Amino acid sequence: EVQLVESGGGLVQPGRSLRLSCAASGFTFDDYAIHWVRQAPGKGLEWVSGISWNSGSIGYADSVKGRFTISRDSAKNSLYLQMNSLRAEDTALYYCAKSQGSGIAAAQDAFDIWGQGTMVTVSS
Amino acid sequence: SYELTQPPSVSVSPGQTASVTCSGNKLGDKYACWYQQKPGQSPVLVIYQDIKRPSGIPERFSGSNSGNTATLTISGTQAMDEADYYCQAWDNSHVVFGGGTKLTVL
Repeated sequence: EVQLVESGGGLVQPGRSLRLSCAASGFTFDDYAIHWVRQAPGKGLEWVSGISWNSGSIGYADSVKGRFTISRDSAKNSLYLQMNSLRAEDTALYYCAKSQGSGIAAAQDAFDIWGQGTMVTVSS
Repeated sequence: SYELTQPPSVSVSPGQTASVTCSGNKLGDKYACWYQQKPGQSPVLVIYQDIKRPSGIPERFSGSNSGNTATLTISGTQAMDEADYYCQAWDNSHVVFGGGTKLTVL
C-alpha cells in the first residue's frame, strides 16, 4: 500500500523550533519529488515547500523562506521539515504529499498521495 | 504573486450537475488540477493535467481549462460528493492553491 505517515507535530512556543518527519512506503521513494502542504484550522491549503527526487531542486513559499528547511533521506525513505523561528501563523496541520513526477517545477505534476497530517500549534 | 480564485460555496441538487470554477491570469496556459477534501480527511486528487482522472475516481468527475478559468464538473452529483474542492496550479516554480469551494448537495 502506498503510504505517507507524518510525525513530529506538537505544541511549541513562538520563536522555538520543531522538526517534522514523513515516512514513505509502498513506492520507490527515490523516483519522486515530495512536498509539504499545510492547512490552518478552518482554512484552505497552503504549499510550504518541495524537494526533487535527488534533493537537487528545492523550493519554499515566501512565508517560510529562511525559517524552514526541507530535506530527504533515501536510506530511510523519509522526508523532513526543520522549522525554526516559529510564529503563531505557522499553526496548522502539516501534510506531506507525493508528486506525480521527480522534479519540483514540472507544471504538469499534481500531488497524488497525501499523508494524514501532523498538527503543529505555536502558542505561548 | 499568482492567485487562483474560487467561489466560497456552490450548491447542487442530487443528480444534477455541479460546476466549480477556478480563475487565474492566463490559467489556460498552465495545467490545473483539483483536490477533494471531506471533513477530517486528507485531500484526494480528482483531476490532473486539466482533464485527466486518476485511477479510482468516478467518471462523473471531469475538468476543463481555457482562457482564465478552469472548471471542475461533477455530473449526476451524489451526496458523497459533498466536500471542499481546491484547484491548484504551478507558477514560477511555486505551487498555488485556490481558496477552496464548499460543495453542498441538497
